[in-house]
Amino acid sequence: QKEVEQNSGPLSVPEGAIASLNCTYSDRGSQSFFWYRQYSGKSPELIMFIYSNGDKEDGRFTAQLNKASQYVSLLIRDSQPSDSATYLCAVMTGNQFYFGTGTSLTVIP
Amino acid sequence: DVKVTQSSRYLVKRTGEKVFLECVQDMDHENMFWYRQDPGLGLRLIYFSYDVKMKEKGDIPEGYSVSREKKERFSLILESASTNQTSMYLCAITTGDDYSNQPQHFGDGTRLSIL
Repeated sequence: QKEVEQNSGPLSVPEGAIASLNCTYSDRGSQSFFWYRQYSGKSPELIMFIYSNGDKEDGRFTAQLNKASQYVSLLIRDSQPSDSATYLCAVMTGNQFYFGTGTSLTVIP
Repeated sequence: DVKVTQSSRYLVKRTGEKVFLECVQDMDHENMFWYRQDPGLGLRLIYFSYDVKMKEKGDIPEGYSVSREKKERFSLILESASTNQTSMYLCAITTGDDYSNQPQHFGDGTRLSIL
């Protein structure tokens, strides 16, 4: 079983809609959770991190963490074509970083 | 802003060559990491370093070595390049002394092709 699992997609949403990206992790002891955006041919860019159960909002982005169910999600409100990218979920367990393989998102104008 | 600089964006080398990939950070961060990224496999950790002259193996260290003689520079070395080492190589750092809760920040990456 992989440490971090994401649906590879592709996920397509119309412009202005809410995009919902999900990630599950296997280790209950994981303590930190991160979302990265990666444009094609570029390196990952940190967009959100969350440590506690619940929601964390930053502009159009909301990260949601549910430790009991071992999932973390990213909501993108008012999706824009510029949000089209691959989104990587990362989980910190102890001193180890684990990345998912990413979900490809396409926002259709 | 955190700045992580990788020496080359694109590199083409031949099988059997010794290849050096350089990563430089502009602050006094201790923790530095080398990953490779391949389609369908995601990011895989090769080596990381907590401090000068310290190194730890990641998940796929075979065929690689690293050097950290100065705090700001972390080098990845392909001892004898092979075609299966064609990949995107990413250097990352964490800020702060306790990296257990700190995000990683990436350089622009080096796309390495071994012919």
